[in-house]
Amino acid sequence: ILNVEQSPQSLHVQEGDSTNFTCSFPSSNFYALHWYRWETAKSPEALFVMTLNGDEKKKGRISATLNTKEGYSYLYIKGSQPEDSATYLCAFKGVDSNYQLIWGAGTKLIIKP
Amino acid sequence: SAVISQKPSRDICQRGTSLTIQCQVDSQVTMMFWYRQQPGQSLTLIATANQGSEATYESGFVIDKFPISRPNLTFSTLTVSNMSPEDSSIYLCSVGTGLTTEAFFGQGTRLTVV
Repeated sequence: ILNVEQSPQSLHVQEGDSTNFTCSFPSSNFYALHWYRWETAKSPEALFVMTLNGDEKKKGRISATLNTKEGYSYLYIKGSQPEDSATYLCAFKGVDSNYQLIWGAGTKLIIKP
Repeated sequence: SAVISQKPSRDICQRGTSLTIQCQVDSQVTMMFWYRQQPGQSLTLIATANQGSEATYESGFVIDKFPISRPNLTFSTLTVSNMSPEDSSIYLCSVGTGLTTEAFFGQGTRLTVV
């Protein structure tokens, strides 16, 4: 069974503070790692698709790193704003998953004004 | 990219009844995916819907419980049949564009079975 784990499950952060959370995934037969943001009553929206070990991607105040050898990815948010409140999902795609996305349960981020 | 319109956005249903969820995509796609997220759980793939052939169901999901239609390359429906409270979940349809590209989602259907 392929497991993707995210931690923490939820996080309260003061507006203006920076934060990060983790996605752990199988370290073998890796193909891609996805990050999505899911706001309430909206569609999940892709943030990053990462494929190379050591890759770092950035979109505005949000960035992500990838370590495929040890099977983890970090998502960083710098200077949190209320609009960052959402659930952040990661998903692993690998040979062993028949290239289907295997999802973590998400990290629910709440920004306190 | 793809824009997906999913409806209904939410519903409260009596146990024993059925609900059909619809997804309309703004472009033609080969495969559409149906997911479920039960409270506190990961997104779980129910089935993959291909136009012109029967849907492929994942382990633990059967056609009698979750019949799927895919009449053309832009539309699909998922029916949750003979519902019980355990079917209370968020149901999402999705399309994926390739091995290294992102997935696109409908807005989700929040189903509560009472």
